[in-house]
Amino acid sequence: AQRVTQPEKLLSVFKGAPVELKCNYSYSGSPELFWYVQYSRQRLQLLLRHISRESIKGFTADLNKGETSFHLKKPFAQEEDSAMYYCALKRGGYNKLIFGAGTRLAVHP
Amino acid sequence: DAGVIQSPRHEVTEMGQEVTLRCKPISGHNSLFWYRQTMMRGLELLIYFNNNVPIDDSGMPEDRFSAKMPNASFSTLKIQPSEPRDSAVYFCASSLQGAGDEAFFGQGTRLTVV
Repeated sequence: AQRVTQPEKLLSVFKGAPVELKCNYSYSGSPELFWYVQYSRQRLQLLLRHISRESIKGFTADLNKGETSFHLKKPFAQEEDSAMYYCALKRGGYNKLIFGAGTRLAVHP
Repeated sequence: DAGVIQSPRHEVTEMGQEVTLRCKPISGHNSLFWYRQTMMRGLELLIYFNNNVPIDDSGMPEDRFSAKMPNASFSTLKIQPSEPRDSAVYFCASSLQGAGDEAFFGQGTRLTVV
């Protein structure tokens, strides 16, 4: 069965510190992995997807199939990064999208 | 396009009452998802439709929950009878099936059952 695990409910850092939001998944096939973000009073929205191999707002995430991980990283956190972050998985060729429990990132001045 | 539209934004109801949540997906999208968000469990997938057909409803908690998609532009999630433990934010999302396609979310319905 597909499963997404985000072990941290809350990650609290100071501005300028590095950030790593952890995500592990279980799926034996070829998954598609995503990070979604929900800023205060805004809709949940896509942040980045692994197939694009892009950097968005300074965030990057690398799919590690050996460790079945897709951790989200940013070298220097900003206060505006404070939000709820969800890791999500979709099976290749199948549109079912499941999410982890989410991690709240709090960046303090 | 105004995006995914959900109604109502807030719903307060008494235990035992029927609750109906509504969703209008983005025009042209062929997949629709219903999620429930709680502090304890995060974002749980309840059911998803492809081309108006329910594909996977394994996340629907129990028989009190039902979902329909009578056409490509409308879906409902019904809870009958409602219970206090159903209190949560319910999100609808839509996407166009294909590799890497983004799911677009509505603003959610905050349901409180007292």
